[in-house]
Amino acid sequence: AQSVTQPDIHITVSEGASLELRCNYSYGATPYLFWYVQSPGQGLQLLLKYFSGDTLVQGIKGFEAEFKRSQSSFNLRKPSVHWSDAAEYFCAVGTFTGGGNKLTFGTGTQLKVEL
Amino acid sequence: EPEVTQTPSHQVTQMGQEVILRCVPISNHLYFYWYRQILGQKVEFLVSFYNNEISEKSEIFDDQFSVERPDGSNFTLKIRSTKLEDSAMYFCASSPGGTFQPQHFGDGTRLSIL
Repeated sequence: AQSVTQPDIHITVSEGASLELRCNYSYGATPYLFWYVQSPGQGLQLLLKYFSGDTLVQGIKGFEAEFKRSQSSFNLRKPSVHWSDAAEYFCAVGTFTGGGNKLTFGTGTQLKVEL
Repeated sequence: EPEVTQTPSHQVTQMGQEVILRCVPISNHLYFYWYRQILGQKVEFLVSFYNNEISEKSEIFDDQFSVERPDGSNFTLKIRSTKLEDSAMYFCASSPGGTFQPQHFGDGTRLSIL
C-alpha cells in the first residue's frame, strides 16, 4: 500500500530565508505526487503536481519541488519565504482506481514564519 | 476561478443523530470525493464517486456512511447515526475527467458530535 512520510511536524524560518519541506513516499509503481497547502480555516489548495517528465516542477506562489526516484522523495522548496506562506503543507501520492484517483496524504508540516 | 463549496461550515449534532454534509463540486467535473481530517491527524480518504456510483471506499466508510448526487449539482455525505469519533473536518473534492487531473478541495465542514 502507498504511504507518505513528512518527517518534520513543525518548521520555523525567518522571512526571506529559503525553505525546504521534506516528503518521502512509498509506492510500487510510478508515483503521482502532489503538494497542497492549508491555511487556517481554509481548504486544501494545490501548489504543484508531478506526473512524469521533468523532475523539477514549478508551482504557484514561487514554490517548486524535485522528484528523486532514487531517494523516493519529493521535497518542496522556496528560495525566499514570505510571512503569508505560514500554513500547513501536505504531500500526497495519488493512485488511480478507474473511478478517480485516491490521494494518500502525509501528516503535514506546519510552517511558521518569523518576521 | 470555479470553486468547490461546502455547507454548512460548522455542524454541531447530538450523538446518534443523522447528519448530511453538502457539497457543490465544480460544474464540469466528473469525479467526486470525500475526505476527513480528525483534529491533529492527517487527511484521510473516505470515498470516491463517479458515474453515479461509488468507485472506491476506505475502511472508515462503513454502513453508517452514504453518498449521493441527488441532482446535477450537489454531492452529499450522510452519516446515519453519528458517534463521538465522527467529529472531524470533512472535505469534499472534485476533479475533471482524465487519469490524473488534480483534485480541487472545498473549505470543509467542521462536524462536532456532542
